[in-house]
Amino acid sequence: DAGVTQSPTHLIKTRGQHVTLRCSPISGHKSVSWYQQVLGQGPQFIFQYYEKEERGRGNFPDRFSARQFPNYSSELNVNALLLGDSALYLCASSLLLDYGYTFGSGTRLTVV
Amino acid sequence: QKEVEQDPGPLSVPEGAIVSLNCTYSNSAFQYFMWYRQYSRKGPELLMYTYSSGNKEDGRFTAQVDKSSKYISLFIRDSQPSDSATYLCAMSFGSGNTGKLIFGQGTTLQVKP
Repeated sequence: DAGVTQSPTHLIKTRGQHVTLRCSPISGHKSVSWYQQVLGQGPQFIFQYYEKEERGRGNFPDRFSARQFPNYSSELNVNALLLGDSALYLCASSLLLDYGYTFGSGTRLTVV
Repeated sequence: QKEVEQDPGPLSVPEGAIVSLNCTYSNSAFQYFMWYRQYSRKGPELLMYTYSSGNKEDGRFTAQVDKSSKYISLFIRDSQPSDSATYLCAMSFGSGNTGKLIFGQGTTLQVKP
């Protein structure tokens, strides 16, 4: 079984640019969440989507947005990139809303 | 005060030792408690989850939850070099709510051969 797949694996962007990160959940999983993990810290919740509806939003600026498609894959968009956006961005999927999330390997974003 | 506190370590032990990893939390509304293991440059991997207070065992791993003290633990018996990783505790609020996970900072464990 394929796990949660994220693309790209690595990305380097310049301050002020826009970035789109992609996630394909495990087959049958309808819930997708996005997390930001800065080096040395635990992941921080950004968004959750369930059945294509936003079900939760973390304490991130409006520069961060996301959506979930009919096939349950998801995109995370970040506008006007700042140096502080450099992090590992993780996508997780689950059958249920509450727990049992499986994480992908992440996209490592470096903003220069 | 952070909602979930976890000693970042690092923690270094000899092979075969018993390892104890701990987290404390402040929000009594948390219902689910999880432990994830994260190897370098990888995403977190779910090790164990528990719902109620008490112990749950899976092979060499035992998860313990004490809701009255707002304290959770993960014990690793007969630790192996392959257990060297960062261990993250995580919590969520339960059914009907967002599946938002609140993570601790993570504890880096090194098991020396």
